[in-house]
Amino acid sequence: LAKTTQPISMDSYEGQEVNITCSHNNIATNDYITWYQQFPSQGPRFIIQGYKTKVTNEVASLFIPADRKSSTLSLPRVSLSDTAVYYCLVGPNTDKLIFGTGTRLQVFP
Amino acid sequence: SQTIHQWPATLVQPVGSPLSLECTVEGTSNPNLYWYRQAAGRGLQLLFYSVGIGQISSEVPQNLSASRPQDRQFILSSKKLLLSDSGFYLCAWSVGREANEKLFFGSGTQLSVL
Repeated sequence: LAKTTQPISMDSYEGQEVNITCSHNNIATNDYITWYQQFPSQGPRFIIQGYKTKVTNEVASLFIPADRKSSTLSLPRVSLSDTAVYYCLVGPNTDKLIFGTGTRLQVFP
Repeated sequence: SQTIHQWPATLVQPVGSPLSLECTVEGTSNPNLYWYRQAAGRGLQLLFYSVGIGQISSEVPQNLSASRPQDRQFILSSKKLLLSDSGFYLCAWSVGREANEKLFFGSGTQLSVL
């Protein structure tokens, strides 16, 4: 399974764009990149998933370069409610999905 | 639509007591099922996963065990709890047959072993 590396924490202010980068140098050809968001005392929830180039939904954008060895989750105009831990997962259709340590995003007013 | 139920929400148990946490999934068949644990302020640790009834794989040797008596039921157990078993326990499911796998989590059980 591809191992992921993310910054431990990031700070931002309301209204700013936040970019969280995940490194996955050993990503395999059939691996997808998936991001989850976790609030305190809740289970993680799916945010966005991609395989290559760019994916955008109503919550975030995911940028994946051609070599796929990293990916960047972009949160436009964050608010206080975006304060959470963000996890990057890389994997194919395997039987187990292992989370890294995640990035703790703190948004200030 | 699919839903996942996990209970209880909170649990306080003395050291040495048994444990049973239950998780059920509705609206899908033959899901992959997972138990994760999260210590305070830490990331998620995969404990067990299951691809079918009676098929359990353990990721971390410990005094916990898991069972899958029915297709959509996953149980986490312990015969004697340790202080180190305290944490936030999460059950999750995935379709298990797609390359773009997504996990769906339950609401979690906050376990305090005293």
